[in-house]
Amino acid sequence: QVQLVQSGAEVKKPGSSVKVSCKTSGGPFSTYTITWVRQAPGHGLEWMGRIIPILGKPNYAQKFQGRVTITADKSTSTAYMELSSLTFEDTAVYFCARDRVVTVPAALGYWGQGTLVTVSS
Amino acid sequence: DIQMTQSPPTLSASVGDRVTITCRASQSINNWLAWYQQKPGKAPKLLIYKASSLESGVPSRFSGSGSGTEFTLTISSLQPDDFATYYCQQYNSPWTFGQGTQVEIK
Repeated sequence: QVQLVQSGAEVKKPGSSVKVSCKTSGGPFSTYTITWVRQAPGHGLEWMGRIIPILGKPNYAQKFQGRVTITADKSTSTAYMELSSLTFEDTAVYFCARDRVVTVPAALGYWGQGTLVTVSS
Repeated sequence: DIQMTQSPPTLSASVGDRVTITCRASQSINNWLAWYQQKPGKAPKLLIYKASSLESGVPSRFSGSGSGTEFTLTISSLQPDDFATYYCQQYNSPWTFGQGTQVEIK
């Protein structure tokens, strides 16, 4: 059974960075796309970017270009999302998700539990 | 980027009702369209992929249709467990979500 387990909640100061992890189990890691999505309080879902670990080259939403870094560690089956230059507007729940099948494009069939990142002075 | 316009933003319905949610893409997305259900404090759950394919384990009262730029999610007979927020998502690259439709009890 595929599972994605994310790191715990974070409280960060404006201007700092946050790095959220997403450890996968129960299936192959390297060949499936991992996607990061965020949800601000009371708002909808926002696609941030994705990576196919075996290729290693991430794609980012234009909104986050230059501020987000998505990486994958094949040795530990863990994906990471780092967001820098945090502002209060980055307060959100951050989700990782895995494609339902290995062929691309594919819908997001498996999700992590979400990580709340709070930006507060 | 492709914009996804979802309607209505809120829908009030009763148990047993037939419910339809619409999603319109700003350009053709080759049916790379998914629907998700999200309950408060939980991660989204995939219901429909490739516009009309039912994800394994999802009740058959959920169905998706449409092509090109116009898509719909239909719940044939609304159940108590279905009161939630629903999102469409195009994955034709880059990925974008609709704004969501909250299905609430009438």
